[in-house]
Amino acid sequence: AQTVTQSQPEMSVQEAETVTLSCTYDTSENNYYLFWYKQPPSRQMILVIRQEAYKQQNATENRFSVNFQKAAKSFSLKISDSQLGDTAMYFCAFMKPGQGAQKLVFGQGTRLTINP
Amino acid sequence: DTGVSQNPRHKITKRGQNVTFRCDPISEHNRLYWYRQTLGQGPEFLTYFQNEAQLEKSRLLSDRFSAERPKGSFSTLEIQRTEQGDSAMYLCASSYYRDRNYGYTFGSGTRLTVV
Repeated sequence: AQTVTQSQPEMSVQEAETVTLSCTYDTSENNYYLFWYKQPPSRQMILVIRQEAYKQQNATENRFSVNFQKAAKSFSLKISDSQLGDTAMYFCAFMKPGQGAQKLVFGQGTRLTINP
Repeated sequence: DTGVSQNPRHKITKRGQNVTFRCDPISEHNRLYWYRQTLGQGPEFLTYFQNEAQLEKSRLLSDRFSAERPKGSFSTLEIQRTEQGDSAMYLCASSYYRDRNYGYTFGSGTRLTVV
């Protein structure tokens, strides 16, 4: 079974700073997807960024980028020029694609606070 | 289409009562998922539908839990004889089987409190 671990329960930075959230995972699969999801307070979970395991290039989405280290099974999220609206719970998640349920396995989450 | 809709947003019930939650997915999405999220934890998979067929259930889904998706549209999750340990946020998500990006759309969840 796959497991996802986020070792930072909480983080806090000043607006405009750069912050990196850590995630490690364990799997014996070779083909999989990794995701970062954002869950603002009392609001729905939204996708921030995804990475396909067979792609060596790290995914980027505007101010969000990942550092994907497949051999180390590490998948960190970097938020540049952080904004107050980035305040949220962030979840790292693993998915094995294929014909089955394609369910997400989530980490415990990191509560990120951006201070003005 | 306004996304995935879940009702009610909040439910407080007494221990031993039955509760039912509803999820309306995005209309063209044929895959529907239920997850449970307890305080301070990440969501955990409960069950999955493709169209009207329930194809996978987690061991977390005890026999007090039942989910349906009649006609492959909305879904309901019922919990019978609720226990305090059932208190959690219940999340619904939907996706389209041909989406090779495997993108989920989540609803805002139903927060259940069992007193």
